This record gives sequence, structure tokens and C-alpha cells, in this order.
Amino acid sequence: GAGVSQSPRYKVAKRGQDVALRCDPISGHVSLFWYQQALGQGPEFLTYFQNEAQLDKSGLPSDRFFAERPEGSVSTLKIQRTQQEDSAVYLCASSLRSISEAFFGQGTRLTVV
Amino acid sequence: GESVGLHLPTLSVQEGDNSIINCAYSNSASDYFIWYKQESGKGPQFIIDIRSNMDKRQGQRVTVLLNKTVKHLSLQIAATQPGDSAVYFCAEGNQGGKLIFGQGTELSVKP
Repeated sequence: GAGVSQSPRYKVAKRGQDVALRCDPISGHVSLFWYQQALGQGPEFLTYFQNEAQLDKSGLPSDRFFAERPEGSVSTLKIQRTQQEDSAVYLCASSLRSISEAFFGQGTRLTVV
Repeated sequence: GESVGLHLPTLSVQEGDNSIINCAYSNSASDYFIWYKQESGKGPQFIIDIRSNMDKRQGQRVTVLLNKTVKHLSLQIAATQPGDSAVYFCAEGNQGGKLIFGQGTELSVKP
């Protein structure tokens, strides 16, 4: 499809397990954003890339969270030693320029048990 | 800290009526504001935005009003339809990739 694609759609992880969430942005989109959305809440910013450069990672909640975009296209959000409070929907968005023009993917729902 | 919040968590309207969803923000330095619609199981979908130097902006069936004096933002949906049922978020932003979202208002349209 032509939209932002995220995989997997659902992920159940045991507490302490490492997970990797993938985002395929719209082709040609320079900017890529990761947000975390807890149940019943608005999305919260995690990190932002322009091409392969991570320009802002101020929203990553701890050093267990790591994001990369090595070739300026696909991005992976990795969470190490998952904890129950990591349970949320992880949204990826991409745009030609700024977040104000971004398209969001459907998200990955992570449940840590 | 700075936050964006909504006055009403739920709103129920009759099909064909107009809907008004409100939002309060606290960061007077924000460059722009965006309204998103989020349906169950989907990511936020852009509806309309407004820059901080504007008071009003109209789209198709939607109007956003910005009152900087009281730091208030509203989304008006004309002739609300069942397909408008969703959670609506306001968000504020500046340069860069960080948007601050409010909690959301669930709009329910009765046929």
C-alpha cells in the first residue's frame, strides 16, 4: 500500500523479553516519528528522524528504548527488558518535512505480560 | 508542565447536528495546532490545522477556531454523520517533530 506500514500489528511479550517494532514509511518521506499511546490517552512523542539522523530522542522514557533508521527509510524501535508499563500502542508517522504534514501508521499494540 | 487538554471526554450528538469539540492549551509559544481523528484500531488521521497567527480556518465541513487570549481551540463539524464517530485529539507543535496531544474527546453520532 501507499501508507505507513507497521509490523507486527500486535505483539505479546513476557516481562523481561526484548522486542523490535518495525516501521515502513511512505516512500520518499524524509522525516519519521515514533509516538507511544497508552490506552485512553493521546499519543506521546518518543523520537524523530530526518533521513538517518536522529534529531530528537528526548521522549524515549528510558535507556531500554532505542530507535534506529540506518538507511534513512525503514525504522526499528527496540525495547529491551520489557516491563508492564511499556504496554501501549506504538505509532509511527512519516512526512516529507514536518510532523504537521505527517501520516500515521496503524500502530503496533504491545502487551507485556 | 505544559499541556494540552480537552474540556469534555465524551460528546453525543444526533446525526445532522453540528458538533463542537473544545481544547485548552497552555503553551502560548506553539506555532501551530492540529486536530486529529482516530478511529478504533487506527492511527490518528489529520483533519485540519491552524497556525498561531490565524483565528479561524475552514475545511470541508470542519472549522477550527483559535482564541489565543484564553488559549482555547475548538473544532466544529457541520452536519455530523455516523462516519464522524471517533476520538478527536487536539495537538500543538513547534519546529521539529514533537507534538503535544491532549487526552481526546470521544464523539458518538446517533442515527
